[in-house]
Amino acid sequence: SYELTQPPSVSVSPGQTARITCSGDALPKQYAYWYQQKPGQAPVLVIYKDSERPSGIPERFSGSSSGTTVTLTISGVQAEDEADYYCQSADSSGTYPQVVFGGGTKLTVL
Amino acid sequence: EVQLVESGGGLVQPGGSLRLSCAASGFTVSSNYMSWVRQAPGKGLEWVSVIYSGGSTYYADSVKGRFTISRDNSKNTLYLQMNSLRAEDTAVYYCARDVYSHGGDYYMDVWGKGTTVTVSS
Repeated sequence: SYELTQPPSVSVSPGQTARITCSGDALPKQYAYWYQQKPGQAPVLVIYKDSERPSGIPERFSGSSSGTTVTLTISGVQAEDEADYYCQSADSSGTYPQVVFGGGTKLTVL
Repeated sequence: EVQLVESGGGLVQPGGSLRLSCAASGFTVSSNYMSWVRQAPGKGLEWVSVIYSGGSTYYADSVKGRFTISRDNSKNTLYLQMNSLRAEDTAVYYCARDVYSHGGDYYMDVWGKGTTVTVSS
């Protein structure tokens, strides 16, 4: 089955730039989406279609894509950005597209 | 305000059944793709099921044949009927509104707060 691979953890100091990667063979053909999840809360969409930002999401969140890897970049990280981040894409190899999530990356703000 | 509120979770014995509900407000369930996503304790997100606006339904292999997704248009509510429950179905279950992207792809732009299902004897 199709998999999206994320690093388990990323640590940065406040004000620095955090980059969280997500790798998958189908990413050159499929969009990626990113969700932020804080402890005890539901996920929140922070990036869609690789690099689009929903309204209400701070400009410090951005996304990019290169080949089989997509990257969520958080510029000028703030303490409130500490959370788990999940990438999502689709496995279209079967009879219908199946949503696939990466394993998640825990962002720690030092 | 666009909102999703799940209910129906609880403790159930292995082999038992449970029906989850997801009441929507601020938009029409039947006009959207709608999904259920779950999260086992301390684990990541796992997609469970989707119902398309046209009524087609699809499931993750882990729940196929045991879970049924449906909706009641008059109540603007999404459901997940879960039968033959197993310990590994223990999770927080979220309903989400999906946005169609391209080629059948979609993503979740609105999430409920979730309801907890515990399968244990």
